[in-house]
Amino acid sequence: EAQVTQNPRYLITVTGKKLTVTCSQNMNHEYMSWYRQDPGLGLRQIYYSMNVEVTDKGDVPEGYKVSRKEKRNFPLILESPSPNQTSLYFCASSLSISRQGYGYTFGSGTRLTVV
Amino acid sequence: AQKITQTQPGMFVQEKEAVTLDCTYDTSDPSYGLFWYKQPSSGEMIFLIYQGSYDQQNATEGRYSLNFQKARKSANLVISASQLGDSAMYFCAMRDPASGGYQKVTFGTGTKLQVIP
Repeated sequence: EAQVTQNPRYLITVTGKKLTVTCSQNMNHEYMSWYRQDPGLGLRQIYYSMNVEVTDKGDVPEGYKVSRKEKRNFPLILESPSPNQTSLYFCASSLSISRQGYGYTFGSGTRLTVV
Repeated sequence: AQKITQTQPGMFVQEKEAVTLDCTYDTSDPSYGLFWYKQPSSGEMIFLIYQGSYDQQNATEGRYSLNFQKARKSANLVISASQLGDSAMYFCAMRDPASGGYQKVTFGTGTKLQVIP
């Protein structure tokens, strides 16, 4: 089944403890991206990647890191999480954002709570 | 400045009626793409429909159509014959090369649609 797999689904952590949210897609998609969703703010783009070893900042990159060493994987790293990073996180992929008509396939989301 | 504006935080529609969800956008680039996504209460995000800025015709996908008015910079989603399963949050999004990255995709704040039996 074509899908984007995020893990974990739920995570409670303490301030300052490094964590990684994994994202993997099995569709050979070029483009991958991370978003956070907060009430009243919609989805805000954190980072995106156009292909292996090519990443760029979205609108809210502070406090996050990403890497794209393989085409299928795009982990999100919070090196020193803070309570304001408590949010619902989505990983998304697309065959190509620049070509017509290709929307995102989203992962199931990761609900992160930082205490 | 908001790139994507959805002015209706919540809407109600009677089952089997049509409903229009508003979306306006702002960009200075002639080449952009507009998307609509659905988020049911279960939380997953589902891609519904796409409209390219150079497309001459309004996009349609089953009961979904996009009322694209380029001069007004609006891309409203029309759902015909609403069903109870259409109750969800709907997000408008734009791929906007003028936003500083050709591959950046910006979302609006969403409209919560509730279908009444």
